[in-house]
Amino acid sequence: AQSVTQLDSQVPVFEEAPVELRCNYSSSVSVYLFWYVQYPNQGLQLLLKYLSGSTLVESINGFEAEFNKSQTSFHLRKPSVHISDTAEYFCAVKYGGSQGNLIFGKGTKLSVKP
Amino acid sequence: GAGVSQSPSNKVTEKGKDVELRCDPISGHTALYWYRQSLGQGLEFLIYFQGNSAPDKSGLPSDRFSAERTGGSVSTLTIQRTQQEDSAVYLCASSLAEGSRYGYTFGSGTRLTVV
Repeated sequence: AQSVTQLDSQVPVFEEAPVELRCNYSSSVSVYLFWYVQYPNQGLQLLLKYLSGSTLVESINGFEAEFNKSQTSFHLRKPSVHISDTAEYFCAVKYGGSQGNLIFGKGTKLSVKP
Repeated sequence: GAGVSQSPSNKVTEKGKDVELRCDPISGHTALYWYRQSLGQGLEFLIYFQGNSAPDKSGLPSDRFSAERTGGSVSTLTIQRTQQEDSAVYLCASSLAEGSRYGYTFGSGTRLTVV
């Protein structure tokens, strides 16, 4: 069955430390990959996406994610986090073509402490 | 409109009552999706509308759930005979036809509490 796994439900980290939020998906011929962020008491916002081309994609606020086909992963990383990065992060995958719905992981709550 | 609008933002209802949740997508977006967000469960797909095609209802959890989309725009999600396990945040999103390629725009959701 098609699925998305976020291995960590919660990730506590100190400010200015690096962070990696893990995402794995079940293998498929073609996938589009997304990370969404949900700040406290707000809706989901698209953070970054991989459609094709370069396997490393970046967001405007310093996050990056790398598509690894052999490991069916799309981990999200940031070299130095800020307090304002505290949020819940969702990995999402579109399997096989562009029509139809995204499948979301269960989310990872990133908590950045001073 | 500028964004996806959902109403009401909060709804408290008694067990057994019916509720209707409304979603007003971005103008021109032909695809509309409903998801349910429960604590610790991530986003659960419910239903997907694309243009005039028959909706994909594969995610609806029971026959108490139904949704319609009138005129290719506004959508209403109806839950009949609500149960406590229906308590969740119901999220609506819309996109262009190829939206799954470029991502969705989400509304702020309706928080449903069944007491």
